Amino acid sequence: NAGVMQNPRHLVRRRGQEARLRCSPMKGHSHVYWYRQLPEEGLKFMVYLQKENIIDESGMPKERFSAEFPKEGPSILRIQQVVRGDSAAYFCASSPMEETQYFGPGTRLLVL
Amino acid sequence: AQSVTQLGSHVSVSEGALVLLRCNYSSSVPPYLFWYVQYPNQGLQLLLKYTTGATLVKGINGFEAEFKKSETSFHLTKPSAHMSDAAEYFCAVSPPGGYQKVTFGTGTKLQVIP
Repeated sequence: NAGVMQNPRHLVRRRGQEARLRCSPMKGHSHVYWYRQLPEEGLKFMVYLQKENIIDESGMPKERFSAEFPKEGPSILRIQQVVRGDSAAYFCASSPMEETQYFGPGTRLLVL
Repeated sequence: AQSVTQLGSHVSVSEGALVLLRCNYSSSVPPYLFWYVQYPNQGLQLLLKYTTGATLVKGINGFEAEFKKSETSFHLTKPSAHMSDAAEYFCAVSPPGGYQKVTFGTGTKLQVIP
């Protein structure tokens, strides 16, 4: 059973561009969570999704950030008009029902 | 509201020595508690978790943690450190059952000295 997959593993964007981060949950997992880890800090919750539904987005910045988990395909975290402060590692986790979360390897975003 | 405090952002131990990583939590309800390990440029791996029942929890790689309600603590220990234990460790808390909005501590980097 493959683990949580994230791609790309590294992403470089210039200020003002868009960043799209993808997360494929483990097989059988219908719950996806996104976290952001800034340098020298712990993980901060961003959003919790189930298939086609956003359950909790209380950790998402109000502007430029959006997330989706369509019926088919991976979950997408989208950052529009990136700024240098968006540089961070973004982790996706998945779980079956509402149980222990399993983390992917992360996408490291660098904004130039 | 819930929060986690990890005392010591960096801990150094000699190979073979006891590992003790401290975690204190704050929660308005009896929480679920977790320890995760993160190796460089990798995701988080679950070491162990406490939900209910026995307060001493054993995890992978020889780690264990004890839930002490009176002290609101969930310290992580390992009797004998190995070089491969060098990593960053995160304590986390979530409300019991149901949807898990997990709150992470800021992490402790463990250095193991040969």
